[in-house]
Amino acid sequence: AQTIHQWPVAEIKAVGSPLSLGCTIKGKSSPNLYWYWQATGGTLQQLFYSITVGQVESVVQLNLSASRPKDDQFILSTEKLLLSHSGFYLCAWSLDRANTEVFFGKGTRLTVV
Amino acid sequence: AQSVTQPDARVTVSEGASLQLRCKYSYSGTPYLFWYVQYPRQGLQLLLKYYSGDPVVQGVNGFEAEFIKSNSSFHLRKASVHWSDSAVYFCAVSSSSGSWQLIFGSGTQLTVMP
Repeated sequence: AQTIHQWPVAEIKAVGSPLSLGCTIKGKSSPNLYWYWQATGGTLQQLFYSITVGQVESVVQLNLSASRPKDDQFILSTEKLLLSHSGFYLCAWSLDRANTEVFFGKGTRLTVV
Repeated sequence: AQSVTQPDARVTVSEGASLQLRCKYSYSGTPYLFWYVQYPRQGLQLLLKYYSGDPVVQGVNGFEAEFIKSNSSFHLRKASVHWSDSAVYFCAVSSSSGSWQLIFGSGTQLTVMP
């Protein structure tokens, strides 16, 4: 069975500090990987997607970056956090470009103070 | 541009009552349509999906949705809700031609009163 693991579960960080969030998918080879952001009480906004190792496409600009160092790993990071980065970050995977089935991780709650 | 509208931010119903959560989409091509549910502090779980064929699709836990092309709608329904159905429900659309993007509506917070 496929599993998707996100870390950390929650973070409280200061404005201006760096951030690194991670996601690992086990049990699937060459998945499409995604990062989503959800403001508190808001909808989900797709941030990045990756269809292969080393290749990441940005969907919206939020002063964040993403990398895919391994087939099963997706990293979201920034050098300097802003208050507006607070929210819920969800990693997801799918097997096709039409997203006929997308599986989400449990998410990371980020609070920037 | 693709978009999804969920006009009801909050819906409250009594346990055992029927439910309809509304969703309208805007898409020029052939859409794939989805409903997801999010329980507190959790990721999203897929309830049901529509690609083609029978416009009424069945999902998990007794949920169903009907695709009405003429109205650009994909409303979610359940005949009898349970208190455990309380959650946030998201409607989403993607492109049948594939764009790696899944567009979500703003979500509807459902509260089921015991």
